[in-house]
Order: sequence, then C-alpha cells, then structure tokens
Amino acid sequence: DSGVTQTPKHLITATGQRVTLRCSPRSGDLSVYWYQQSLDQGLQFLIQYYNGEERAKGNILERFSAQQFPDLHSELNLSSLELGDSALYFCASSPGQGIYNEQFFGPGTRLTVL
Amino acid sequence: GENVEQHPSTLSVQEGDSAVIKCTYSDSASNYFPWYKQELGKRPQLIIDIRSNVGEKKDQRIAVTLNKTAKHFSLHITETQPEDSAVYFCAASIPLSGAGSYQLTFGKGTKLSVIP
Repeated sequence: DSGVTQTPKHLITATGQRVTLRCSPRSGDLSVYWYQQSLDQGLQFLIQYYNGEERAKGNILERFSAQQFPDLHSELNLSSLELGDSALYFCASSPGQGIYNEQFFGPGTRLTVL
Repeated sequence: GENVEQHPSTLSVQEGDSAVIKCTYSDSASNYFPWYKQELGKRPQLIIDIRSNVGEKKDQRIAVTLNKTAKHFSLHITETQPEDSAVYFCAASIPLSGAGSYQLTFGKGTKLSVIP
C-alpha cells in the first residue's frame, strides 16, 4: 500500500457523459500527478499539481481538467466522454516537485465508456 | 517532446537466468531515469532509478546502466525468480520551462515472464 488512495475503483458510464475521479495523496506529499494507462499507449502523463497550483501539463485533452484543493486532494474531471477514453487512470504523489522525488502511485480508477 | 522506446515488448526467461530490458530516449536534456514494476492488476512501483551524472547503479539483483552519449539505458535483473514476473516500464524525466516542473515520459513496457 503506497498511501495514495483513489476513488472510485471502477466507473462505467456512457459516451457524452462527465465523470470525476478523486485522489488523496500520501500524508505530507504536496505534488499530485495524473496518468492515463491504456493498452496501446502505455502510461501517459496528463498533469501535475504542486500545493494547489498547476505545475506541468502533458498529453491532457481539452475535455479533461483537474484541480488540487487546499487539503491537497485532487480531482480529475473528464467530460464529453468517448469510447477511446476507456483506460486506467492513475494518480501519483511525491513529497516535493523536484525531479528526483519518487512518485508513489495509487491503485487506479478503471474507467469504461460504453 | 521526449520519446522513449523500450525493447523487447515481451521477454521470457528461465528461472535463475538474467533478463535485460533496453530503452532509448530522444531528448538530451533528460536527466533522470526511473524504472517501474507493475504486477498484474496492481499499481506501478519504483524499483530503481539513475541520475544522469551516474553510469551504473545496483541494488541487490537489479542494476541499471546509462549511456548518455548514446541516449540509452538498460535494466538488468540477475538470478530471476518467478516473483520477478511483471511488466517493467522505463521512464525519462525532462525539465520543463516552469520552475520545478518536469515531465516523466514512459516507455510502452516489457512483459517479463520467469518460467520456473
């Protein structure tokens, strides 16, 4: 157990819908990262927050948005869902924002879009 | 942006043999290279990492080597055991323009099977 929690574990929804994925980082960690894992694309970095502020953006679609709240938990919002958004979404956290900070991954949320 | 290629995509070895996974990266600004292990249905976990100012690092049966000139790095697992069976991901970290921001780019993974 990494200490990072994610809810829900599984999510099944229809195309066109909107969902929110939630992540609670390890106690004391200030950085949160979101990743999408699909069979053909592997692990893709989406976005990073540090202490409430966006720090880096990767391959995140405009239909997706995220935020980190004052209590440091983070939410990833996915809207206008398409079949291709079906994937495993991981959240990771690290103590700081520096490049050498180990990222601890949560258990993931499996999203299925029907 | 950074591109990380990982080979092979699948690897089967006999228990006790060695396994080697290779990765190449494209951006010479990358300066940190972690390796993650993901068991079936579980989260990725860091197993070893190497910084750009180091050529080799070992941790028990696992070692990583880095050749900055050739822009490639490798994971070596010796005396493999069935519990080493998993998907292994290499990654390269490149600093971005914002202060304290960087991006981890992952390879597509290698599925290692250790046959008892």
